[in-house]
Amino acid sequence: DQQVKQNSPSLSVQEGRISILNCDYTNSMFDYFLWYKKYPAEGPTFLISISSIKDKNEDGRFTVFLNKSAKHLSLHIVPSQPGDSAVYFCAASENTGNQFYFGTGTSLTVIP
Amino acid sequence: NAGVMQNPRHLVRRRGQEARLRCSPMKGHSHVYWYRQLPEEGLKFMVYLQKENIIDESGMPKERFSAEFPKEGPSILRIQQVVRGDSAAYFCASSSQTDTDTQYFGPGTRLTVL
Repeated sequence: DQQVKQNSPSLSVQEGRISILNCDYTNSMFDYFLWYKKYPAEGPTFLISISSIKDKNEDGRFTVFLNKSAKHLSLHIVPSQPGDSAVYFCAASENTGNQFYFGTGTSLTVIP
Repeated sequence: NAGVMQNPRHLVRRRGQEARLRCSPMKGHSHVYWYRQLPEEGLKFMVYLQKENIIDESGMPKERFSAEFPKEGPSILRIQQVVRGDSAAYFCASSSQTDTDTQYFGPGTRLTVL
């Protein structure tokens, strides 16, 4: 039972343009969401997070948007750079728990 | 700047053998989490440990798998009598006592069962 879903397995974007990665979840108890970036042969690296009391969090080129009513979050990267090419995982957790539920990942390719 | 360390990075075992995966958390972190990533899937939570205690093992298979985080030394994920379906990447993450919301991941151990 996949509680966090990333329906796009891959995405290609031109350098300088915006990358939008999407994530949907089913568990209304989730109240903390994170995005991780993963390069081949490495562990996931924390990128940005958002709690359910907010609908937007920004950190440099990265912005995460949360739409609680739609149970949807997205990661915007602008401008996209070739070094952003990686697999991006969305993760969520409940207030009472410590485990993260991960999506299956979206492989982003930024074309120079 | 020692992050989360895992060893070995690659482990090959034959069916029926035991696999031991080690994880040294980031300095100052007392919480350890183990995740498994099967091919074409996201990371799946297995177990959450603090020093000498298993806090949540709801994601751990009931048989053959065990985990520990002793007072001294790394956390160990142990898989007995491995089967082909255990082939996966196993990631360890750690967090501090004051910020359990942010987990920092190690590079993973890729287990291949022949």
